[in-house]
Amino acid sequence: KAGVTQTPRYLIKTRGQQVTLSCSPISGHRSVSWYQQTPGQGLQFLFEYFSETQRNKGNFPGRFSGRQFSNSRSEMNVSTLELGDSALYLCASTRTDLAGKLFFGSGTQLSVL
Amino acid sequence: AQSVTQLGSHVSVSEGALVLLRCNYSSSVPPYLFWYVQYPNQGLQLLLKYTSAATLVKGINGFEAEFKKSETSFHLTKPSAHMSDAAEYFCAVSTGFQKLVFGTGTRLLVSP
Repeated sequence: KAGVTQTPRYLIKTRGQQVTLSCSPISGHRSVSWYQQTPGQGLQFLFEYFSETQRNKGNFPGRFSGRQFSNSRSEMNVSTLELGDSALYLCASTRTDLAGKLFFGSGTQLSVL
Repeated sequence: AQSVTQLGSHVSVSEGALVLLRCNYSSSVPPYLFWYVQYPNQGLQLLLKYTSAATLVKGINGFEAEFKKSETSFHLTKPSAHMSDAAEYFCAVSTGFQKLVFGTGTRLLVSP
């Protein structure tokens, strides 16, 4: 069974640009969540989607947005990039019956120059 | 708000020695607690989770954790460290809807 797939693996952007990251969950998983990982702030929850609806959102500015498609694949978008947005962005998927057991992808390493 | 605190950003042990990684939680209700491991350049992998069924939880790779309500702790242990255990370990608490709040992580270093 394929794991969570995130693309691209690495991304370099400049300040002011926007970026879209993609996540394909494990087959049958309808919940997809996104986390930002930085050396300074650690792992922080961005948002979670279930059946195309955002169920929960972390404390990030509106520049961070996401969506989920009918096949459960998810994208997150960051507009007007800032240097501080440089981070590893992790996507995780799960099923409701797994009680919080998240399956993580390898992440997208975003560098903002 | 529910949170977890990991004591010690780095822990060093010798191969074959006991591994003890500390985690304390803050929760007003019985929490769902987790330990995840992250190897370099990879995502997180679940080691074990506590869901109130048993206070001693056994996970993968020989790790286990004991939930102690009186101490609000959920420390991770392994009797004998292996070189392959070198990684970063995160304690986490579930706050609902698949949202996890993670601790700051503990990097485990294993020397031969």
